[in-house]
Amino acid sequence: SQKIEQNSEALNIQEGKTATLTCNYTNYSPAYLQWYRQDPGRGPVFLLLIRENEKEKRKERLKVTFDTTLKQSLFHITASQPADSATYLCALPNTGFQKLVFGTGTRLLVSP
Amino acid sequence: NAGVTQTPKFQVLKTGQSMTLQCAQDMNHNSMYWYRQDPGMGLRLIYYSASEGTTDKGEVPNGYNVSRLNKREFSLRLESAAPSQTSVYFCASSQTGGAGGNQPQHFGDGTRLSIL
Repeated sequence: SQKIEQNSEALNIQEGKTATLTCNYTNYSPAYLQWYRQDPGRGPVFLLLIRENEKEKRKERLKVTFDTTLKQSLFHITASQPADSATYLCALPNTGFQKLVFGTGTRLLVSP
Repeated sequence: NAGVTQTPKFQVLKTGQSMTLQCAQDMNHNSMYWYRQDPGMGLRLIYYSASEGTTDKGEVPNGYNVSRLNKREFSLRLESAAPSQTSVYFCASSQTGGAGGNQPQHFGDGTRLSIL
C-alpha cells in the first residue's frame, strides 16, 4: 500500500521567509496529491490539489510542486506570517483509489 | 455556513460502554468518511460512504459500525468501547468519488474520545 513520509520535526522559520515542506511517497505514483492545513484542536482544511500532469500549482502565497520521478511534492509558503503556523498534511490515493492516505504532517512555526 | 458538524466535541467512556458519534453536513455532498487521528499515526480511515445507502470498510474498521442515515448524516458507533479506541475522531465529506476520489474533503472539528 501507499506510504507517505513527511518530516516529523517541526520547521521553525522567521516571518517573511519562505517555508518549504516535503512530502515523499513510495510505491506507485498517484494521479493527484492534496495538501491540507490543520490547526490545534481543529479538523484539517483543504488547501490545494495538484494533478500528475501539473508540475506546479499556485494559490496566493502558496505553491505546490509535484515530481513523479522523485516521488515527491514540495509545499512552499512565501512571505510567511505567524498566522501560517500550523501542521500541514499531504494526502494521496492508495493503490486502487480505495482510500485517501494522509501523511502524519509537518508542524510549521513562524516567528515574528 | 456550518459545513461539517460533529457531536459531541468531548466524551469520556468506561471500557465496555457504547456510544454513537454524530456527523452532519450541509453541503449536499455525496460521500462521507470517518477517520481517527492518533499521535504519530496520521489520519486513518475507519469507514466511508461513497453515496447514500452504501458503506464500506476503511483501514481500521474493527470495533466500529456506521450508518448512513440519509444524505446529510453519517454516524459512527462503538458497541463496546476499549481503551485502544481512545482517539480524536473526524468526520469528513466530499462531493463525489468515494474514499479515493479526486475531490477535496471537508472536515469537522472532531470528537475527542477517552476510554478509561
